[in-house]
Amino acid sequence: KAGVTQTPRYLIKTRGQQVTLSCSPISGHRSVSWYQQTPGQGLQFLFEYFSETQRNKGNFPGRFSGRQFSNSRSEMNVSTLELGDSALYLCASSLEWGRISSGANVLTFGAGSRLTVL
Amino acid sequence: GDSVTQMEGPVTLSEEAFLTINCTYTATGYPSLFWYVQYPGEGLQLLLKATKADDKGSNKGFEATYRKETTSFHLEKGSVQVSDSAVYFCALGGYSTLTFGKGTMLLVSP
Repeated sequence: KAGVTQTPRYLIKTRGQQVTLSCSPISGHRSVSWYQQTPGQGLQFLFEYFSETQRNKGNFPGRFSGRQFSNSRSEMNVSTLELGDSALYLCASSLEWGRISSGANVLTFGAGSRLTVL
Repeated sequence: GDSVTQMEGPVTLSEEAFLTINCTYTATGYPSLFWYVQYPGEGLQLLLKATKADDKGSNKGFEATYRKETTSFHLEKGSVQVSDSAVYFCALGGYSTLTFGKGTMLLVSP
């Protein structure tokens, strides 16, 4: 069973540009979440999608957006990039939307997309 | 709100030493608890998990017990290996999200 696939793995952008990151969840998983990882702030929740609808959102500016397609694949977009957006962006998938428990609804993470903003 | 506090690293050990990484949490209700591990250049891998008080999660020689009375979920391993060198994250399961601790880097030398 293939895991969570994120593309691209590495990318370099300049300030003011925009970027789109892609995530393909594990087959059969319908919920996709995004997290930002930085050395200073650690792992922070960005947003979560289920059935093509954003169900939950973290405390990030509107420059960060996402969407989910009918096949559960998800993309996130960051517009007007700032230096502080340099981070590892992690996508995670789970079977369903709802409480994260140690039963079936566990988050499985991809390898991440490392964004560097110059 | 929910929060997780982990001991700061790095934790530096020799091979075959005993490992403890402390984790305490604050949450409403009875969340599930997790340990994730991140190897250099990789994403997060689920290491172990526990759903309720007194549950013990275990995997690859690592163990952690859900202690409701002390709101803790400390990670232990009896004999670490060089290959265990990584960053370990304690996490609390919320509604469709995980709340993570800051992470603890473990360095194991031969």
